[in-house]
Amino acid sequence: GESVGLHLPTLSVQEGDNSIINCAYSNSASDYFIWYKQESGKGPQFIIDIRSNMDIRQGQRVTVLLNKTVKHLSLQIAATQPGDSAVYFCAENTVSFGTGTQLKVEL
Amino acid sequence: DTGVSQNPRHKITKRGQNVTFRCDPISEHNRLYWYRQTLGQGPEFLTYFQNEAQLEKSRLLSDRFSAERPKGSFSTLEIQRTEQGDSAMYLCASSLPTDRGNEQFFGPGTRLTVL
Repeated sequence: GESVGLHLPTLSVQEGDNSIINCAYSNSASDYFIWYKQESGKGPQFIIDIRSNMDIRQGQRVTVLLNKTVKHLSLQIAATQPGDSAVYFCAENTVSFGTGTQLKVEL
Repeated sequence: DTGVSQNPRHKITKRGQNVTFRCDPISEHNRLYWYRQTLGQGPEFLTYFQNEAQLEKSRLLSDRFSAERPKGSFSTLEIQRTEQGDSAMYLCASSLPTDRGNEQFFGPGTRLTVL
């Protein structure tokens, strides 16, 4: 399939390690944030979301942290697996996507 | 399969021709979004509908682009007088916003190549 990750920042991790993917957003008034995963040849897939009245939200193997003071969002993936290899995007206010980070999981 | 379908999956056209893409959202979803994505970039918002009403259009959206959702179900995106710069993946997404959030479900996209 086609690659969506050309020229993107890349994070390489060993299988089983934890991954942290970061995102800086621009609009201090943004009140809703989403993390998406996009595999080659596919559309983005929702992972987890968080509203601005929260600092942390946990899902299955994923945690999102929101720091409104510095306009920073992070996605933590626990026990990273080969199937986690993809490009990860943060989005603010539903439709404003960042440039993405390529996650590569090494065996 | 997210339940959102797009047709065609690939379209090759010559510069100056018109093209039309179709998106079939998840049936109970009232919102439908169109995005454009080029290699190495995140999806770029184009427009969205709530039911049949087009509520927002990106300022970046050229007047050569038009979208419709006539019955509040499927949607079409037409590009008139295509240019080589229109070559991209066109993504459609649908959602049913709730108090808990607004999870969008994306289709597989239509890859447009303008020669």
